[in-house]
Amino acid sequence: DIQMTQSPSPLSASVGDRVTITCRASQSISTYLNWYQLKPGKAPKLLISASSSLQSGVPSRFSGSGSGTDFTLTISSLQPEDFATYYCQQSYLSPITFGQGTRLDIK
Amino acid sequence: QLRLQESGPGLVKPSETLSLTCTVSGASITSSGFYWGWIRQSPGKGLKWIGHISYSGNTYYTPSLKSRVTISVDTSKSRFSLRLTSVTAADTAIYYCVRRARDPFDYWGQGALVTVSS
Repeated sequence: DIQMTQSPSPLSASVGDRVTITCRASQSISTYLNWYQLKPGKAPKLLISASSSLQSGVPSRFSGSGSGTDFTLTISSLQPEDFATYYCQQSYLSPITFGQGTRLDIK
Repeated sequence: QLRLQESGPGLVKPSETLSLTCTVSGASITSSGFYWGWIRQSPGKGLKWIGHISYSGNTYYTPSLKSRVTISVDTSKSRFSLRLTSVTAADTAIYYCVRRARDPFDYWGQGALVTVSS
């Protein structure tokens, strides 16, 4: 199985900060990398697909980049609603696997 | 707007079978190019893909659960289901139903907590 490793975890930041979450794959996955946002009691939300494609309705302060084994999710200016847990996911090879998650806390 | 809603028992006894249903509304479950599946999140742990199914019945399962999992679809009722046999405490989790659109999981249900306990 392809192992996905996220860092840092957890991450403490303030409203207005620029934050970057890193996801590293145990082997090359091209750009078959998606990012999700999870909040307790709510349906998880797809933010970015194919490494850098922002989903419709997702604020432009979110961006993704990377290919091969190293990927990043960046939030350019944190808003109160962005405090959540973020997961990366690869679909290059079955079984589909997720990172362990990055919890983004208010500093 | 597509909506997915999980339903089923919140408590299952060890060695018994976990059964959950996901009802799809706001879109057709028979649309080509989409798959319908399940992902779980165990307490304090990350997300684990369980498997998914096409509307025509083609299934894909994660190897570690494959011997115990069945995902089925009922197009007449616009719903799909998960069965997990011989459950243990390790199967306690929030179970999410999802739609897979070519690659990413683009729609998720709110999740259903299932506890395995006697």
